Amino acid sequence: EVQLVESGGGLVQPGGSLRLSCAASGFTFSIYWMSWVRQAPGKGLEWVANIKQDGTEKYYVDSVKGRFTISRDNAKNSLYLQMNSLRAEDTAVYYCARIGAAAGIYFDSWGQGTLVTVSS
Amino acid sequence: SYELTQPPSVSVSPGQTARITCSGDALPKQYAYWYQQKPGQAPVLVISKDSERPSGIPDRFSGSSSGTTVTLTISGVQAEDEADYYCQSADSSGTYEVFGTGTKVTVL
Repeated sequence: EVQLVESGGGLVQPGGSLRLSCAASGFTFSIYWMSWVRQAPGKGLEWVANIKQDGTEKYYVDSVKGRFTISRDNAKNSLYLQMNSLRAEDTAVYYCARIGAAAGIYFDSWGQGTLVTVSS
Repeated sequence: SYELTQPPSVSVSPGQTARITCSGDALPKQYAYWYQQKPGQAPVLVISKDSERPSGIPDRFSGSSSGTTVTLTISGVQAEDEADYYCQSADSSGTYEVFGTGTKVTVL
């Protein structure tokens, strides 16, 4: 069974940093693209970033470029999101998601999410 | 930036058919996907590549595509189908992913 478990969320002040982690199990992590998707309280889903199997390609939504960094450690079956210069509008539940193996980018498995709150 | 537009809400009686549209300029070039999200839960993929149903998804869920609009159809709606539904696709370059604005389906 595919399992994705996020951790690292919490309360942080504006301008601060936070590192999210996602522990993957139940599948061969190293052969899948992975992604972070977020959802602000009471709002819709927003794609944040994708990373290729070997980490050589990374893509970000414009609003986080230069502030967030997606990375992975295939030896540890783990995905990360380093978030710097955090803003109030980054407050959201952050989901780790596996990108499906077929053509096209889609999210076929999701974690339960970790809440990040940016507030003073 | 690229946007996918959905109606905010759809109401339907049990046993009837719910149709949710999603409009975007790049949809003729890019596949669309649909997710169901119930309160307090993570999203679940219900339709892939415009019209394919993943394993385990009931056959009352179907998808179609026509030009710049894709449609999720739920036939014979059940109370358990009450949820938020989101379409998802990519921009014309295929580089950036976008979710639709979301549609709340209410079962009367």
